[in-house]
Amino acid sequence: QKEVEQNSGPLSVPEGAIASLNCTYSDRVSQSFFWYRQYSGKSPELIMSIYSNGDKEDGRFTAQLNKASQYVSLLIRDSQPSDSATYLCAPRTAGNMLTFGGGTRLMVKP
Amino acid sequence: DAGVTQSPTHLIKTRGQQVTLRCSPKSGHDTVSWYQQALGQGPQFIFQYYEEEERQRGNFPDRFSGHQFPNYSSELNVNALLLGDSALYLCASSLFAGIHLYNEQFFGPGTRLTVL
Repeated sequence: QKEVEQNSGPLSVPEGAIASLNCTYSDRVSQSFFWYRQYSGKSPELIMSIYSNGDKEDGRFTAQLNKASQYVSLLIRDSQPSDSATYLCAPRTAGNMLTFGGGTRLMVKP
Repeated sequence: DAGVTQSPTHLIKTRGQQVTLRCSPKSGHDTVSWYQQALGQGPQFIFQYYEEEERQRGNFPDRFSGHQFPNYSSELNVNALLLGDSALYLCASSLFAGIHLYNEQFFGPGTRLTVL
């Protein structure tokens, strides 16, 4: 079993729709969770961090965390073509190490 | 305020050679982590430096070594390069997690290493 699992996609949504990206993790010790966006050929860009169970909203982005289920998700409202990228889920495990999933490729069609 | 910087941007080496990659963290940050990202995969943790010491290491061989300088900048060295070392090498800066619970890691632009 992989430590961090994400559906590789591609997840295709029409412009203006809600994109839902999911991630499960195996390390119960993880306390901090991060979502990064990575455009093709570029480095990961931090878009959301979440530390407590529940929802955290920032603009069009909402991160949801359920530690009991070891599940974290990212919702993108009013999806735009510029949101087309790979989204990486990264729990922070022992120490300060980020363990990344393989990422979900999102395609937003105009 | 300068973000995380890395050099060089691209590098081409041949098998068996050695390479040094460099990273300067974001202003105010004291911790540097290095990650390797192969094509189509998520980044994998190599190691982390704080106070000029390696604090944590991922599952990478001893061919991978590093250093942190008093100004918090860091180097990643890879000896005896293999074809499989071809990847995007990412540096991430942060505050040290042992002190700052709610810290975040910010990535530099990366160095693309090609081993022929």
